[in-house]
Amino acid sequence: DTAVSQTPKYLVTQMGNDKSIKCEQNLGHDTMYWYKQDSKKFLKIMFSYNNKELIINETVPNRFSPKSPDKAHLNLHINSLELGDSAVYFCASSQDPAPGRGTGELFFGEGSRLTVL
Amino acid sequence: AQSVTQPDIHITVSEGASLELRCNYSYGATPYLFWYVQSPGQGLQLLLKYFSGDTLVQGIKGFEAEFKRSQSSFNLRKPSVHWSDAAEYFCAVAASSNYKLTFGKGTLLTVNP
Repeated sequence: DTAVSQTPKYLVTQMGNDKSIKCEQNLGHDTMYWYKQDSKKFLKIMFSYNNKELIINETVPNRFSPKSPDKAHLNLHINSLELGDSAVYFCASSQDPAPGRGTGELFFGEGSRLTVL
Repeated sequence: AQSVTQPDIHITVSEGASLELRCNYSYGATPYLFWYVQSPGQGLQLLLKYFSGDTLVQGIKGFEAEFKRSQSSFNLRKPSVHWSDAAEYFCAVAASSNYKLTFGKGTLLTVNP
């Protein structure tokens, strides 16, 4: 069983469309994240949820809206897609929201590659 | 706020050679430090971490890293590289004062046969 799974793995869409990426973890973790990796491989946190509560909300356009229906799921909805949204989006989970507590380890999904044309 | 610098964008080594990947961090107090590896088309996997105590930490796949406070560094080493080590390597730092894990820009490792 995959610990952190994301769907879809690939997403190609036109500018202006709305799309969603789904993430599920079966590790029993309380904390989940969305990271964006750009074309230069730079990895930047977007959002973090702990027990369904938003705890990190970086400077992300409000076209991006995360939703956590329960502790095991964190979805990302993107409205009015732009060319600059093209990237690989990674979902991750951890036991504890503070990287310096518990094991500190983040478990990553395999990524969802979004291409906006 | 914390930050991480990985000075080398791309490193090429021969299989069997030793490896050192550099990482420098910026943070006022003792940081929590991590190395992650990303194989092509995959997510990131934790190699090792430093929280406190012994400054030389051992990780998976034969990797080790040494925390040097005086140099603000946490360099990753491996005595003998295998072709399967070819991947992107990310150093990351977390502060005790916030919940954020900040990644460096990564170092791409190529292994020649």
